[in-house]
Amino acid sequence: QVQLQESGPGLVKPSETLSLTCTVSGGSTGSSAFYWGWIRQPPGKGLEWIGSIYYTGGTYYNPSLKSRVTISADTSKNQFSLVLSSVTAADTAVYYCATIKPVDTGMLRTPGYFQHWGLGTPVTVSS
Amino acid sequence: DIVMTQSPDSLAVSLGERATINCKSSQSILYRSTNKSYFSWYQQKPGQPPRLLISWASTRESGVPDRFSGSGSGTDFTLTISSLQAEDVAVYYCQQYYSPPFTFGQGTRLEIK
Repeated sequence: QVQLQESGPGLVKPSETLSLTCTVSGGSTGSSAFYWGWIRQPPGKGLEWIGSIYYTGGTYYNPSLKSRVTISADTSKNQFSLVLSSVTAADTAVYYCATIKPVDTGMLRTPGYFQHWGLGTPVTVSS
Repeated sequence: DIVMTQSPDSLAVSLGERATINCKSSQSILYRSTNKSYFSWYQQKPGQPPRLLISWASTRESGVPDRFSGSGSGTDFTLTISSLQAEDVAVYYCQQYYSPPFTFGQGTRLEIK
């Protein structure tokens, strides 16, 4: 069973950069078995997909965040990371990392459903 | 973007009764070459991460009780809980993985009547 754990600062100042890491156990970020992704949930609200990365290094990002987001993976540490720049109060949320089952869409293997989730880490953007 | 709209926003059902949650996508999420709808359901209990219940519109995830079932195709989908248990109190979300950005419904809050 894959387990994931998010880590990073719980408080970030406006205009600064949010950096989170997800540590994976029971699976390998170098494996083709999963995409690895980030999802967030503002307080009292619904879920928003942020982006996903495959073992090839290929990424998909939500266009609403694409200019500010970078997702990367470190297979030697079995971790993947989220960097979100120029944060505002609207970025305050619980951030989840997750495994994503790849699905076939024509010639591509794209991110599918979110199969395993970390417990989430709350991030507040405030001065 | 594909918009996912759930109904109702909240629902109260008596223990042992059937609960039905609907989700509609703004365009078809049925991929013709695979004849599958790229659609899933999640359950989120207070203070917990979401839990995958159903993928491919109707495939129950391992360990999910068989009182949970999913149906539908194309643009209209339904999650049915055949006999509501106290532990089923949660917010339920639908999601499409047909095309990015991968979007969720707004959630349906299920409570005990």
